[in-house]
Amino acid sequence: DVKVTQSSRYLVKRTGEKVFLECVQDMDHENMFWYRQDPGLGLRLIYFSYDVKMKEKGDIPEGYSVSREKKERFSLILESASTNQTSMYLCASSLPPLGTGGNQPQHFGDGTRLSIL
Amino acid sequence: GNSVTQMEGPVTLSEEAFLTINCTYTATGYPSLFWYVQYPGEGLQLLLKATKADDKGSNKGFEATYRKETTSFHLEKGSVQVSDSAVYFCALRANTGGFKTIFGAGTRLFVKA
Repeated sequence: DVKVTQSSRYLVKRTGEKVFLECVQDMDHENMFWYRQDPGLGLRLIYFSYDVKMKEKGDIPEGYSVSREKKERFSLILESASTNQTSMYLCASSLPPLGTGGNQPQHFGDGTRLSIL
Repeated sequence: GNSVTQMEGPVTLSEEAFLTINCTYTATGYPSLFWYVQYPGEGLQLLLKATKADDKGSNKGFEATYRKETTSFHLEKGSVQVSDSAVYFCALRANTGGFKTIFGAGTRLFVKA
């Protein structure tokens, strides 16, 4: 089974701090994703990476950056944390779409519940 | 663009009741369709999938059929259990234009004993 591991389940940080959220997957997946999940807003894509050192902005990249130096690890960085970044953060990985078939599901970690005070 | 619409919750049912959660989609081409489930305090897990028209995905007593003519992928279960209480997400992944998965807003299900 695919294992996606997020480094922390709960994290409390202060406004203005630089925050690192780490995600590691063990199945050699090319694609990795960071989402945030907020009540009433569903999952929103922050950034994704389709291969090592490659990254693409998602729907809400402002205030975030990412790093993918190794295939198995995808880090989300909050450059200067603000209270509106208090949320549940979910990391996911997947194989790329197969040719003309997009049938690869995403595999999720358990999430990091981040509170910014 | 691609989108997924699913019924708003919460849905509250008694144990052994029949469950339907509606999901419709808009997409170009031939997307793959998924249902994910999120139990309290956890990430999302793949529940079932279907990759082409008329495919039926099934798992743990849940079923959904890929209906291209109605652009729908409704989730059903004949007899729900308390342990099925969770949030259910319908999703699609297109076969053109990139790597994203588009998720619905999620439907929370409560099952009472």
